Amino acid sequence: DTAVSQTPKYLVTQMGNDKSIKCEQNLGHDTMYWYKQDSKKFLKIMFSYNNKELIINETVPNRFSPKSPDKAHLNLHINSLELGDSAVYFCASSLGVRGGRGGNEQFFGPGTRLTVL
Amino acid sequence: DAKTTQPNSMESNEEEPVHLPCNHSTISGTDYIHWYRQLPSQGPEYVIHGLTSNVNNRMASLAIAEDRKSSTLILHRATLRDAAVYYCISRHAGGTSYGKLTFGQGTILTVHP
Repeated sequence: DTAVSQTPKYLVTQMGNDKSIKCEQNLGHDTMYWYKQDSKKFLKIMFSYNNKELIINETVPNRFSPKSPDKAHLNLHINSLELGDSAVYFCASSLGVRGGRGGNEQFFGPGTRLTVL
Repeated sequence: DAKTTQPNSMESNEEEPVHLPCNHSTISGTDYIHWYRQLPSQGPEYVIHGLTSNVNNRMASLAIAEDRKSSTLILHRATLRDAAVYYCISRHAGGTSYGKLTFGQGTILTVHP
């Protein structure tokens, strides 16, 4: 019973291609996130959706376009892939956005390792 | 969110307690302290969080200094499975942060058998 799942687990592609990563959560959460972890292991938030509405967009290039068809899914589409996009991308979800006690626990997926050649 | 400072790495022996420190001297009154950990090749995992009082759960304890400028994550009996990168995060409740987690470099914990 995977709580937050991502597909694919690995993605190897050429520069200039367009690719998508899918994320699904079965926890009944209403908020989902995308994080990027680069080669130096720094984890940084990219986007967040609450009830299918974009609420965080952290200066990510326009080539990255998140799409949330429903509360349980948040997909990430990347156009014109560049070498610097190589990283591990993590999806996460939480119940609520602010929460009454300092924000709610986020559950992370297993990650998608993207390699751009 | 206030900046946090952690040691780059720490080592422990199996079945011994581990105290992981975190400094957050610029923390504001409404910032919560969250701890997450990342095991090798996995996504981050929530450990614990608190505001002012010490907190305990099945994974760990969180001791928060009275002035809230520092905190310590306590693993009571380290196991090999606890080897991970531990992230201390100061997280603003409410406002426009919308639950954003700002990860630092974390502390790499090595547990020796």
